[in-house]
Amino acid sequence: NAGVMQNPRHLVRRRGQEARLRCSPMKGHSHVYWYRQLPEEGLKFMVYLQKENIIDESGMPKERFSAEFPKEGPSILRIQQVVRGDSAAYFCASSIGTDSTYSNQPQHFGDGTRLSIL
Amino acid sequence: SQQGEEDPQALSIQEGENATMNCSYKTSINNLQWYRQNSGRGLVHLILIRSNEREKHSGRLRVTLDTSKKSSSLLITASRAADTASYFCATDGSNAGGTSYGKLTFGQGTILTVHP
Repeated sequence: NAGVMQNPRHLVRRRGQEARLRCSPMKGHSHVYWYRQLPEEGLKFMVYLQKENIIDESGMPKERFSAEFPKEGPSILRIQQVVRGDSAAYFCASSIGTDSTYSNQPQHFGDGTRLSIL
Repeated sequence: SQQGEEDPQALSIQEGENATMNCSYKTSINNLQWYRQNSGRGLVHLILIRSNEREKHSGRLRVTLDTSKKSSSLLITASRAADTASYFCATDGSNAGGTSYGKLTFGQGTILTVHP
């Protein structure tokens, strides 16, 4: 399956613990995006990364949240000291690029990680 | 900031009928995309329409775009029970050089229920 792979599908954490969400983009895609979806709502942009670079993190909370996309391996969204309000579905998407050559290519989404905070 | 808003919030129809969903947004865009989301799953890309296009077809899907009104519509013809899902529009902005900002701005979605 060459699609966007996210794991785990479900993650349960107690308040104060750390959550790590992983995303492997589609083959050939070097641009990764993270979105958060609260119940009954649309997706909200969090962060946009390319390999080893954060391009836009304007949607990510300033504290407790961080993201990386290393040269090797998956992209990681890390939430430290989780609180109940962090409970949501977190989706990763990837695309081939965003310059004028690729600016009209769609983003492809994974099935998400559903994070529950006890 | 951009904000896509769909209407109606929920739509319930019988199999074989057509379903029309609308989306409005606030700022200039590079393209507009429609996605489907089945319960508990990720988003599936349906169709992308560029800012210089007015209408696009894909199978039973027809999308229109009116940039003067900052609105788009998605028409699903001859609906099937399997079309039951949430449908989202998402806008992709760009800078003056035509480079996408990358991030998509999603609407709240339309929940479509097709009864067999």
